[in-house]
Amino acid sequence: EVQLLESGGGLVQPGGSLRLSCAASGFTFSNYAMSWVRQAPGMGLAWVSGISTSGGDTFFADSVKGRFTISRDNSKNMLYLQMNSLRAEDTAVYYCARNTGTAYYMAVWGEGTTVTVSS
Amino acid sequence: EIVMTQSPATLSVSPGEGATLSCRASQSVSSNLAWYQQKPGQAPRLLIYGASTRATGIPARFSGSGSGTEFTLTISSLQSEDFAVYYCQQYNNWPLTFGGGTKVEIK
Repeated sequence: EVQLLESGGGLVQPGGSLRLSCAASGFTFSNYAMSWVRQAPGMGLAWVSGISTSGGDTFFADSVKGRFTISRDNSKNMLYLQMNSLRAEDTAVYYCARNTGTAYYMAVWGEGTTVTVSS
Repeated sequence: EIVMTQSPATLSVSPGEGATLSCRASQSVSSNLAWYQQKPGQAPRLLIYGASTRATGIPARFSGSGSGTEFTLTISSLQSEDFAVYYCQQYNNWPLTFGGGTKVEIK
């Protein structure tokens, strides 16, 4: 069964850092591009970041560029999102999503992990 | 950035009736358009990709059409499990962008 399991969410103060992880199983992780998508409370979906199959290409929303870093470890079937200089507006549920080899629609979603940025 | 605009924001439909949801892109996205369904407290689910291709396991009552800047998701006969929020997303250009969503509610 294809599965994505996020972890690492929690409460952090403004200006702080957090690292989200996504454990993938049930498919050949290295064959798929991956993305992070977030959803603020009561709001719609917002794409955050994407990474190619090899990790050589990374992409970011303007709202997080320079603050967030995406990476992957294909040997461990893991996807990461390093979030620095966090702001209140980063508060959201963060979803890990599987794309295809080259097309970045979200074919499979995890259940999400909640990040709250508050003092 | 490509802006995706969905209409209407809310659609009230009786079970068994059909529903038509619209999604407009601020510039052409070719056929690189996906639709998702999200129920309260759940992760989104992929319905349609490539503007008109149903994802695995999606019932035939869901259909997508359009290309360029105008897209439509049609649900032919709403079942109780179809009442949810629907989002479109373009993957033609970076950054990827979602529409604001259409809530399909029971009339």
